Amino acid sequence: NAGVMQNPRHLVRRRGQEARLRCSPMKGHSHVYWYRQLPEEGLKFMVYLQKENIIDESGMPKERFSAEFPKEGPSILRIQQVVRGDSAAYFCASSDRGPYSPLHFGNGTRLTVT
Amino acid sequence: AQTVTQSQPEMSVQEAETVTLSCTYDTSESNYYLFWYKQPPSRQMILVIRQEAYKQQNATENRFSVNFQKAAKSFSLKISDSQLGDTAMYFCAFSQAGGTSYGKLTFGQGTILTVHP
Repeated sequence: NAGVMQNPRHLVRRRGQEARLRCSPMKGHSHVYWYRQLPEEGLKFMVYLQKENIIDESGMPKERFSAEFPKEGPSILRIQQVVRGDSAAYFCASSDRGPYSPLHFGNGTRLTVT
Repeated sequence: AQTVTQSQPEMSVQEAETVTLSCTYDTSESNYYLFWYKQPPSRQMILVIRQEAYKQQNATENRFSVNFQKAAKSFSLKISDSQLGDTAMYFCAFSQAGGTSYGKLTFGQGTILTVHP
């Protein structure tokens, strides 16, 4: 049973470009969470999605960031017009029953904005 | 809002010895969950141990155990018989119980643990 798959592992973008980060949850998991880890810091919650629904986006920046988890396919975290401050590791986690189920994390995508 | 504080940026221990990592948190909630996660150089976040606040008994997982002091809002991790593979960054984390809050974790700043041969 494959774990949470994130790709790409590393992504380099120039300022002003768009970044698309993909997350395929574990098989059977319908709950996806995105976290951001800035250098030398812990992870910070961004958004919680279930299939086709955003449940909690209280940690998402108000502009340039969006997330989706369509009925088919991976969850996507999209960052438009990236800036240097967006450079970070972005982690996806999934669970099967939502509340009280263990979170399984992917290996993260390291975004570097030049 | 909840906060999680890890006051030890770095710790080191000799192989086979015991080490304790500290964590304190602040919340007004009465029921919640506490976690310790390990992040090795591979960057993957690995759940080490979980504690439910309403359970008085401290959680244990093989060589890993916690000392949960609810009144003091303290949640330390003890690693016994340390192994070289335990070298990693360790994060303490908190989540509220109930509803959609469980997977919304608040993390501490992390403690880098180095196990020396």
